[in-house]
Amino acid sequence: DAKTTQPPSMDCAEGRAANLPCNHSTISGNEYVYWYRQIHSQGPQYIIHGLKNNETNEMASLIITEDRKSSTLILPHATLRDTAVYYCIVRAFTSGTYKYIFGTGTRLKVLA
Amino acid sequence: SAVISQKPSRDICQRGTSLTIQCQVDSQVTMMFWYRQQPGQSLTLIATANQGSEATYESGFVIDKFPISRPNLTFSTLTVSNMSPEDSSIYLCSVGYRGDVNTEAFFGQGTRLTVV
Repeated sequence: DAKTTQPPSMDCAEGRAANLPCNHSTISGNEYVYWYRQIHSQGPQYIIHGLKNNETNEMASLIITEDRKSSTLILPHATLRDTAVYYCIVRAFTSGTYKYIFGTGTRLKVLA
Repeated sequence: SAVISQKPSRDICQRGTSLTIQCQVDSQVTMMFWYRQQPGQSLTLIATANQGSEATYESGFVIDKFPISRPNLTFSTLTVSNMSPEDSSIYLCSVGYRGDVNTEAFFGQGTRLTVV
């Protein structure tokens, strides 16, 4: 299973862009990168996912490097409510099923 | 999307007892998973619940300790057996759809278990 590596914590000023990096150097060609966040021990919330192209939705943008070994989640205008733990996940396909394997996550603190 | 209901939302249990956690989904899903989140830690996959057959367990987790049932495409249970304080964690149910495109997993709000 591909493993992800993230910085343990980051701070961001309110209103500024938050850029959260993730390394997934062992990712396979058909494995997607997913991002989730968890606010204060609630269930993880889906943010965005991608395979090799950059993706954008109403919550965030996902930038994946050309070699697919790393990615960056961008929250364009961070608010206090974006304070959470952000998880970068590689969805692995093994034994005939998909599995979502969580890394250690980045604790993002948005500062007023 | 899928709406997931987990019961109970929290419980305090005596060591040596067992607790069964229920996960109900509002639509048929292909995949159901159970995760454990120990205090201050990330989520660890316990097993994939398979409909009509034995669950597929991850390394470090065994059926005797965490028996799982999945009688249909919308319901699953996880039992934490012979509990000890080390089992105090949040247990989360997750569901997904098999397929290669646009299939994110959805998570319940979890069951917060404290073993005393």
